[in-house]
Amino acid sequence: AQSVTQLGSHVSVSEGALVLLRCNYSSSVPPYLFWYVQYPNQGLQLLLKYTTGATLVKGINGFEAEFKQSETSFHLTKPSAHMSDAAEYFCAVRSEKLVFGKGTKLTVNP
Amino acid sequence: GAGVSQSPRYKVAKRGQDVALRCDPISGHVSLFWYQQALGQGPEFLTYFQNEAQLDKSGLPSDRFFAERPEGSVSTLKIQRTQQEDSAVYLCASSLRQGPGAGELFFGEGSRLTVL
Repeated sequence: AQSVTQLGSHVSVSEGALVLLRCNYSSSVPPYLFWYVQYPNQGLQLLLKYTTGATLVKGINGFEAEFKQSETSFHLTKPSAHMSDAAEYFCAVRSEKLVFGKGTKLTVNP
Repeated sequence: GAGVSQSPRYKVAKRGQDVALRCDPISGHVSLFWYQQALGQGPEFLTYFQNEAQLDKSGLPSDRFFAERPEGSVSTLKIQRTQQEDSAVYLCASSLRQGPGAGELFFGEGSRLTVL
């Protein structure tokens, strides 16, 4: 069975600071990994995904994530936080269906 | 439209009422998924269709929940005799590809169900 663990249900950073949202996965087969963002009262929007190939994946809005098989991790980063990044972020792993983590709410302070 | 469309966006039901939630996927998308997202939680898988075939319904929480996709396009999630614990946002997603793989899921904005 596949599962995702997101460390930290809430993360708070200052505007301009580094954003690091942690995700560890469990998968019996090579995983396909995703990060989604959800703004209040909206659906999920894909930030980026890892399928095969390059382990450093770049997504929208300046986010990127690195797949580390040895650590079973897929942490999401952004060098400089913007106020508009405040949202909830979900890591997910997929074989047949997409399995989500519980989410991390990002707050950006001015 | 270009995206996944869900209706109604908001539904308030009295306990014991039946509700039906509709999902109109992106045209041509083979796979369709339903998820339940409780307040403050991540989305939880309910069921999955490939065209009109329901391939996985392991996430449906009880026999009060029923989903269908009779023509392989629009899907309806029906909840009978609603209970307060059914209050959640129900998300629908579709994917172009079928079967296991990396096909991106495109999500609708969800239907928020509140059971009083």
